[in-house]
Amino acid sequence: GQNIDQPTEMTATEGAIVQINCTYQTSGFNGLFWYQQHAGEAPTFLSYNVLDGLEEKGRFSSFLSRSKGYSYLLLKELQMKDSASYLCAVRDPNSGGYNKLIFGAGTRLAVHP
Amino acid sequence: DAGVTQSPTHLIKTRGQQVTLRCSPKSGHDTVSWYQQALGQGPQFIFQYYEEEERQRGNFPDRFSGHQFPNYSSELNVNALLLGDSALYLCASSTPGETSTDTQYFGPGTRLTVL
Repeated sequence: GQNIDQPTEMTATEGAIVQINCTYQTSGFNGLFWYQQHAGEAPTFLSYNVLDGLEEKGRFSSFLSRSKGYSYLLLKELQMKDSASYLCAVRDPNSGGYNKLIFGAGTRLAVHP
Repeated sequence: DAGVTQSPTHLIKTRGQQVTLRCSPKSGHDTVSWYQQALGQGPQFIFQYYEEEERQRGNFPDRFSGHQFPNYSSELNVNALLLGDSALYLCASSTPGETSTDTQYFGPGTRLTVL
């Protein structure tokens, strides 16, 4: 089966840097996504990785190591509005070429002043 | 450019009733996926529609059914509601492939409460 693990909760200070880890066990690999979800709202797309390495987008960066089944999301210069859940998701490699996502349970990040 | 829209925002039903949720995809998207998100969990894939046909289904019973219309909008129907069906139902739209440009974009969701 497919499994995605993330820490349940993290706390950080405004202005600091935080790294949210994600490990996955899947039979094959076809892309990894990070989404941000504020309480009661829809997930919003943050980043996509399909090759090893770092993808940078402003204050947010995402890293992938396919050989280790590992990704992280790095948030710099934390702001209070970054308090949210961060969802790691992989494209199901067994979905027959269809665009189906498997999500982890999410990491709730609390940013304190 | 309108994003993904869903209706209604909130819904309260009682056990045994039936419910229909609606979704309009983002402009330019023709594939609609539905997800169920229980409190404190990540979204779980229900099914996906493309060209008005269900082409992929997750581990959900037949009480969950759907439809896609020629304009790519979609409905999710749930029959014989159970208390455990209480969740946020998310619609995501995309193009049908598996590249970076086929990223799924989510609507605001419908919060269903079953009493």
